[in-house]
Amino acid sequence: KQEVTQIPAALSVPEGENLVLNCSFTDSAIYNLQWFRQDPGKGLTSLLLIQSSQREQTSGRLNASLDKSSGRSTLYIAASQPGDSATYLCAGRYGGATNKLIFGTGTLLAVQP
Amino acid sequence: DAGVIQSPRHEVTEMGQEVTLRCKPISGHNSLFWYRQTMMRGLELLIYFNNNVPIDDSGMPEDRFSAKMPNASFSTLKIQPSEPRDSAVYFCASLFGPEDTEAFFGQGTRLTVV
Repeated sequence: KQEVTQIPAALSVPEGENLVLNCSFTDSAIYNLQWFRQDPGKGLTSLLLIQSSQREQTSGRLNASLDKSSGRSTLYIAASQPGDSATYLCAGRYGGATNKLIFGTGTLLAVQP
Repeated sequence: DAGVIQSPRHEVTEMGQEVTLRCKPISGHNSLFWYRQTMMRGLELLIYFNNNVPIDDSGMPEDRFSAKMPNASFSTLKIQPSEPRDSAVYFCASLFGPEDTEAFFGQGTRLTVV
């Protein structure tokens, strides 16, 4: 069964700290991996997509990596800000023909000013 | 493009009533997903379509749930009859399958069954 899990479930850090969110997947035949952000009561906003041919992707203070062999992805947030407070979700896409998108359980991040 | 459009944004209905949620994917996208999100269970994949064909509906919780995609620009998720435990936020997402590209989500429909 294809499963995606995220640890920790919740994280609280002081402003300015660098932090890492973890995502693990059971099926290494993952096609690509996408990180999303969700603010309370809102929809999901795409942050980064690590394509099948890539191992890493960067956008501003965010850096995401993908290691298919170990079944892991990480999202690194540099110099965290209170505005980064949200739930972060990773999603693995499987099967080029079937395009199944499986989500992790999410990490609730609180950045304290 | 206006993105993935869902309607209604909020729905309050009485137990036993039929509820229909609607989704318009991004033009040109050929895969469409329906998810349900609750505090207890997180984001659950209910069903997804490729080229308007249902591929996997194993996540649909019960026979009370059904989904259709009559054409490339429209999908519905129907609950009949609705129950209080169906209360959740329902999200629709779409992507363009052959390419290694992002999935995009709608703003969701918050369903409350009383």
